[in-house]
Amino acid sequence: QVQLVQSGAEVRKPGASVKVSCKASGYTFAGYYMHWVRQAPGQGLEWVGRINQKSGDTNFAQKFQGRVTMTRDTSTSTASMELSRLRSDDTAVYYCVYTVSTSGFDYWGQGTLVTVSS
Amino acid sequence: QSVLTQPPSASGTPGQRVTISCSGSSSNIGSNTVNWYQQLPGTAPKLLIYSNNQRPSGVPYRISGSKSGTSASLAISGLQSEDEADYFCATWDDSLNGRLFGGGTRLTVL
Repeated sequence: QVQLVQSGAEVRKPGASVKVSCKASGYTFAGYYMHWVRQAPGQGLEWVGRINQKSGDTNFAQKFQGRVTMTRDTSTSTASMELSRLRSDDTAVYYCVYTVSTSGFDYWGQGTLVTVSS
Repeated sequence: QSVLTQPPSASGTPGQRVTISCSGSSSNIGSNTVNWYQQLPGTAPKLLIYSNNQRPSGVPYRISGSKSGTSASLAISGLQSEDEADYFCATWDDSLNGRLFGGGTRLTVL
């Protein structure tokens, strides 16, 4: 079955960067899209961006443009998201979400808590 | 404030039927399919409905989804205490070229 296992919790100071990884198993990695979604404490879900697992093409929510990088390594079936110039309001749980096809069927990772605090 | 509008709360008693709405526009719900998710405290969202009205394996028949025009709905019949959770709708927006989520609805089973 499809599994997405994310890296562990991170603590960073404002202005620093953080990289979260997502290791996939149970499907052909170079498939459709891997999305990244975040959820601030007590808040709703917010889309950060996505990467086409086959081509590597990316697109991001406008508010993250210039601060986020998404990559994938097909040899290790791992997708990663790096967010730079962190602020306190970037504190959130970050999820990787694999979309199987245009149907919208998706699988979620367990989430990674990123805490930004001085 | 989310582009997709959901009521912040809903409630019902055991056995009742509850519906949760998700209102959007022509660039999102009006032209793309809708997913619904259930989120229990401290856990990742769980896919309940995809492609407007399709249930993944394991999701009970008493949970259903529908879409009409620029709005979508999630219906839960035979309400159970285990249904108490947050529910989110999601779709793609062609104008923003990005994925959108509703603000979420907290369902309380009285």
